[in-house]
Amino acid sequence: DQQVKQNSPSLSVQEGRISILNCDYTNSMFDYFLWYKKYPAEGPTFLISISSIKDKNEDGRFTVFLNKSAKHLSLHIVPSQPGDSAVYFCAASAASNDYKLSFGAGTTVTVRA
Amino acid sequence: NAGVTQTPKFQVLKTGQSMTLQCAQDMNHNSMYWYRQDPGMGLRLIYYSASEGTTDKGEVPNGYNVSRLNKREFSLRLESAAPSQTSVYFCASSAYPTGGTEAFFGQGTRLTVV
Repeated sequence: DQQVKQNSPSLSVQEGRISILNCDYTNSMFDYFLWYKKYPAEGPTFLISISSIKDKNEDGRFTVFLNKSAKHLSLHIVPSQPGDSAVYFCAASAASNDYKLSFGAGTTVTVRA
Repeated sequence: NAGVTQTPKFQVLKTGQSMTLQCAQDMNHNSMYWYRQDPGMGLRLIYYSASEGTTDKGEVPNGYNVSRLNKREFSLRLESAAPSQTSVYFCASSAYPTGGTEAFFGQGTRLTVV
């Protein structure tokens, strides 16, 4: 049973606008959350993370928000650029499980010119 | 700076054949992982190694074996390939427990079993 869920398989956004990607999790032991970006024929690359003791983390155009009570996190990309077109994976981990990553199914983002 | 290197990049096997996927990292990381990616499933952990000489099963270990040859290398072996093992395989490493928990991934091996 998937413990990390990305319910939107795809997202299309106009260049310059905001992209919002959502992720839900079921395991209350998760205490560290990450977003990865993946281009075709490449491996995932780490984008941004957040610890469960925070509710927001920002890195340039990327911001991750965590709502622990709702077991929900989101990734905001502002402004969206054509190079942001990729698959984005949400991942979660727990100290009790040696921080092994559990991944969502991914959301394909397409940024339109 | 190579990071995580996987070989081969592509492979076609016949049902019942065996093969070993190779992985090496040059970041002096302690932890190494093998994942498989299937459409609609995200990445699922096959095996994990916390240090040289130790390995643990992940979410989908059946049909696979692993060897942590040394700190740098972590190989994945399919003893008798099955069509259900058609997938893209990713090796990853992280500095945990002596450093950060972020995993760094190789470019992947696309395996087709016919």
